[in-house]
Amino acid sequence: GAVVSQHPSRVICKSGTSVKIECRSLDFQATTMFWYRQFPKKSLMLMATSNEGSKATYEQGVEKDKFLINHASLTLSTLTVTSAHPEDSSFYICSTDRVGNIQYFGAGTRLSVL
Amino acid sequence: GQQLNQSPQSMFIQEGEDVSMNCTSSSIFNTWLWYKQDPGEGPVLLIALYKAGELTSNGRLTAQFGITRKDSFLNISASIPSDVGIYFCAGQEIQGAQKLVFGQGTRLTINP
Repeated sequence: GAVVSQHPSRVICKSGTSVKIECRSLDFQATTMFWYRQFPKKSLMLMATSNEGSKATYEQGVEKDKFLINHASLTLSTLTVTSAHPEDSSFYICSTDRVGNIQYFGAGTRLSVL
Repeated sequence: GQQLNQSPQSMFIQEGEDVSMNCTSSSIFNTWLWYKQDPGEGPVLLIALYKAGELTSNGRLTAQFGITRKDSFLNISASIPSDVGIYFCAGQEIQGAQKLVFGQGTRLTINP
């Protein structure tokens, strides 16, 4: 069964609004979660590493104030896209480590900014 | 950012044919993973490799972790329509947060 639950699966929003995406580990405690972005027909690009109880670690070129990450509990990490613009439209995917350091992925969130 | 060199980028085959794809890297990884992604979905783990030289099977799928720890291949035997999708290799970094480095993906199309 699913290891990671990501919600929503699809969201359409107006330019300038903020959108929150949730990533939950279903049957284990995840101290670390990862957030990726994927453009059409491209590979996954790591945006940030989410650490429970501490600040997220962002990859080079990813705006911290634009993509807010909160990992307040061992089962939930959230990514908030603030003041969204059409260029933020993309497929966002979270993952989490489990036994054996294997990353399991959520089903992804398709964000469309009008 | 760093990426693995995955090939081929796309494959068009007949149902029943075998498939082979591979990944190479200039860096050493402790773990190699192979994922499959269907349209509009997140990647799903197919096979995980932990030891250099390890050969692992999962049904019709077989993958190997290269001896040098810088490469891996995935084979699919007797392809079926549901094998269609994008296959990604990923190497897990040894140090730090053990982030994954992904290949560019291999898009598999099967003609019935």
